[in-house]
Amino acid sequence: EVQLVESGGGLVQPGGSLRLSCAASGFTVSSTYMSWVRQAPRKGLEWVSAIYSGDSTFSADSVKGRFTISRDNSQNTLYLQMNSLRAEDTAVYYCARGAVAAQADVWGQGTTVTVSS
Amino acid sequence: QSALTQPPSASGTPGQRVTISCSGSNSNIGLNTVNWYQQFPGTAPKFLIYSNDKRRSGVPDRFSGSKSGTSASLAISGLQSEDEADYYCAAWDDSLNGPVFGGGTKLTVL
Repeated sequence: EVQLVESGGGLVQPGGSLRLSCAASGFTVSSTYMSWVRQAPRKGLEWVSAIYSGDSTFSADSVKGRFTISRDNSQNTLYLQMNSLRAEDTAVYYCARGAVAAQADVWGQGTTVTVSS
Repeated sequence: QSALTQPPSASGTPGQRVTISCSGSNSNIGLNTVNWYQQFPGTAPKFLIYSNDKRRSGVPDRFSGSKSGTSASLAISGLQSEDEADYYCAAWDDSLNGPVFGGGTKLTVL
């Protein structure tokens, strides 16, 4: 079964760091494009970061220079390293398979990140 | 502000046909295909329509998509109560070199 399971969310103070993980099963993360999408409370979806073939990446302007997407092929896992966190980064973060052409066909259940003092 | 513009809300009665619009620009919808996602409260988005007008497997044919110029639409005919959800359009943006979403439309079945 194709599945994505996120972990690593939690409460962090402004300026802090957090690393989200997304464990994939039923397919290999190294062979496809992968994304992180977030949804702030009572807000819409925002494509945060994506990784393409050859490990080229995309980051939204709102997180550029602070968030880094990566993958560990041996663990079949996608990561999102989040640094210099701000209150406006508070959101549910979803891992998704796909990115190119804005097509994401498999989604995880989401992990919640709260940035607050 | 989202790169793609959707109305914040739409509504209809059971059996009606409703349409949700998505407006973009020459850097996104004007050059690339449009996709639609459905999201119920507290759950992950579901990939509904891709490449402007293609339904994913299992999506009822009541759902249809179209695109013209820099705009796209999602139409739902024979509206049912279980269609009440948030709907998002998405497209690749050549200026950003990445994917973008619309702001989302909350569909209410009256």
